[in-house]
Amino acid sequence: DQQVKQNSPSLSVQEGRISILNCDYTNSMFDYFLWYKKYPAEGPTFLISISSIKDKNEDGRFTVFLNKSAKHLSLHIVPSQPGDSAVYFCAASRGYNQGGKLIFGQGTELSVKP
Amino acid sequence: ETGVTQTPRHLVMGMTNKKSLKCEQHLGHNAMYWYKQSAKKPLELMFVYSLEERVENNSVPSRFSPECPNSSHLFLHLHTLQPEDSALYLCASSQEPAVGPQHFGDGTRLSIL
Repeated sequence: DQQVKQNSPSLSVQEGRISILNCDYTNSMFDYFLWYKKYPAEGPTFLISISSIKDKNEDGRFTVFLNKSAKHLSLHIVPSQPGDSAVYFCAASRGYNQGGKLIFGQGTELSVKP
Repeated sequence: ETGVTQTPRHLVMGMTNKKSLKCEQHLGHNAMYWYKQSAKKPLELMFVYSLEERVENNSVPSRFSPECPNSSHLFLHLHTLQPEDSALYLCASSQEPAVGPQHFGDGTRLSIL
């Protein structure tokens, strides 16, 4: 049973436009969420995180939104750049600060076209 | 060197071979992790070490044997693997177990013949 789901395996966006990557989770006890980005032949790179006490966290062009009632997480990239083309993973944890492990989604491949 | 380094980057082995994957982190972190990523599947946590002690073993078969001699090095010893063990194996580290984001290495692509 997959607790973290990224239902779109791929997304294509024009350069300069907004990219919205979505993530749904089933465990209402999750309280810490992260987004990672992965280029081919490289390991995942941490992008941004959010705890369940917030509903938004922003870092430059990247904003993560958390809707706890819908158990939904999204990553907005504005404006999108060709260098953002990569696979994006969301991850969630329950009790992360007490040793809770990260549960990853299966990833969404973003392609930003010039 | 900075970050998390994994060697080798690629490994092809037969089912009867014994090999080891190596991970080294230069971030001063106290926790290290092994993950497995099979094709079209999410990353799966295999092992967690905190200050060289194993704190999590996520129901991994005994043909995978981790070793953490110090907080900077982590090994995954492999023996009598199966074809379904072919995958990308990723090492990660964090400040403490589950404190701060995990930083990943580039992985070892393992193929079992």
